[in-house]
Amino acid sequence: GAVVSQHPSWVICKSGTSVKIECRSLDFQATTMFWYRQFPKQSLMLMATSNEGSKATYEQGVEKDKFLINHASLTLSTLTVTSAHPEDSSFYICSAWTSANTDTQYFGPGTRLTVL
Amino acid sequence: ILNVEQSPQSLHVQEGDSTNFTCSFPSSNFYALHWYRWETAKSPEALFVMTLNGDEKKKGRISATLNTKEGYSYLYIKGSQPEDSATYLCASPRSGNTGKLIFGQGTTLQVKP
Repeated sequence: GAVVSQHPSWVICKSGTSVKIECRSLDFQATTMFWYRQFPKQSLMLMATSNEGSKATYEQGVEKDKFLINHASLTLSTLTVTSAHPEDSSFYICSAWTSANTDTQYFGPGTRLTVL
Repeated sequence: ILNVEQSPQSLHVQEGDSTNFTCSFPSSNFYALHWYRWETAKSPEALFVMTLNGDEKKKGRISATLNTKEGYSYLYIKGSQPEDSATYLCASPRSGNTGKLIFGQGTTLQVKP
C-alpha cells in the first residue's frame, strides 16, 4: 500500500516551453502533497506544499508564477514548469501525506527534467 | 535555519561487513527524525520515524538510534548485502508536524559482493 506514482519519469524540452509533471497517490487519499527538487550533489529541497482544493504555499525563493501547482483532487497534484529554461533542469520529486498517518511521507520515483 | 548533515557522503564496503553512518540536526525544537532508503530509479522508502530521545528502532538488519539532546542519529546495517546498496537519507521537519522536511545530502552505500 501507500504507492505514489509520477509521470513522466524523464522529460527533455526546449527552452521556453512548459512542462507538466503529475503526482498521483494510487491507493490512498493524499490530503497534502509536497514538491521537492534536487540539483546535482545537493539535498532534496522543498519547493511547495499543496493541499487539496486550496492554493499551494511556496518556499522562499521559489517563484509561484514559474512553478504552477494544482491539487485538484485527493489523488492528484500537478507541477507545471512554465517557460522552462536550462537552469530549471533538475530532478523533481513529490511526496504525499495522508491525515490517517502523518508520521510518514510517501514519495514518488521522481522526474528528471532537462531543458535544452 | 534548520541544517541537517549526513556523513560520510559515500561508503564502499564488502558483503558481510557491518557499517554505520551519521545524521546530525539541531537539537533545539526537535520534533522528529526520518530515515529513508533510496534505491536508484525507485521511490525513497521510509525506514524509520524517530521521536523520543534514546529511541532505538530496528527493521531486519537495519537499526537506528536517536540522541535528541546532542542532535544526532546513527543508522546501522549489520552484515551488509549487495541489495543494501542505496542512498540513505535522513530528514527532520522544519517545524512541528508540518511535513515540511529538511533533508541531509544522503549517504550512498555501495556493497561489493
